Amino acid sequence: QKEVEQNSGPLSVPEGAIASLNCTYSDRGSQSFFWYRQYSGKSPELIMFIYSNGDKEDGRFTAQLNKASQYVSLLIRDSQPSDSATYLCAAGSSSNTGKLIFGQGTTLQVKP
Amino acid sequence: GAVVSQHPSRVICKSGTSVKIECRSLDFQATTMFWYRQFPKQSLMLMATSNEGSKATYEQGVEKDKFLINHASLTLSTLTVTSAHPEDSSFYICSARSSGVTGELFFGEGSRLTVL
Repeated sequence: QKEVEQNSGPLSVPEGAIASLNCTYSDRGSQSFFWYRQYSGKSPELIMFIYSNGDKEDGRFTAQLNKASQYVSLLIRDSQPSDSATYLCAAGSSSNTGKLIFGQGTTLQVKP
Repeated sequence: GAVVSQHPSRVICKSGTSVKIECRSLDFQATTMFWYRQFPKQSLMLMATSNEGSKATYEQGVEKDKFLINHASLTLSTLTVTSAHPEDSSFYICSARSSGVTGELFFGEGSRLTVL
């Protein structure tokens, strides 16, 4: 069973701080990785995707991928209360069917 | 705006009845759509992959006779929960890729099913 693991949290950070969200995956053949944000009662929305080892930055968000360690992370700089949500990490299936395997999500709380 | 639309967003039904949920891709043709189920405080669990013009591929443990999937066109997939029971109450979400297996995956707004 291919798995994606996340700490469910909650992760609590003060406003303006850096929030660091982590994820590990078991399918070594996965090539694509995604971070989704989900507000309570809503569908997930894509924050970032990353395919290559290293860092990828988009505004306040930085995704980091280390395929050797099978580790993906998301950094949120200058965290805002509106960033409070559940963040889902997903890995593309190595069978290249387009399926995503989701982690259980990490709940982030940004306190004013 | 939303590129994948789901309907209805909320549905309440009696135990034993069937409920149909529609998923439409608005701006693109989707040969493949995915149906997920999410229970409270849990992650998305893939139920099945819906393939246009052919049978859906179900994940292990998902009853294909209970969760009927039809993908009759490149823009529409439907999920029918047959003979629904209270344990089927959940948040059902569809998704579709904009192109091939590397295109961005868009999610519908989700459909919250409550079975009384």
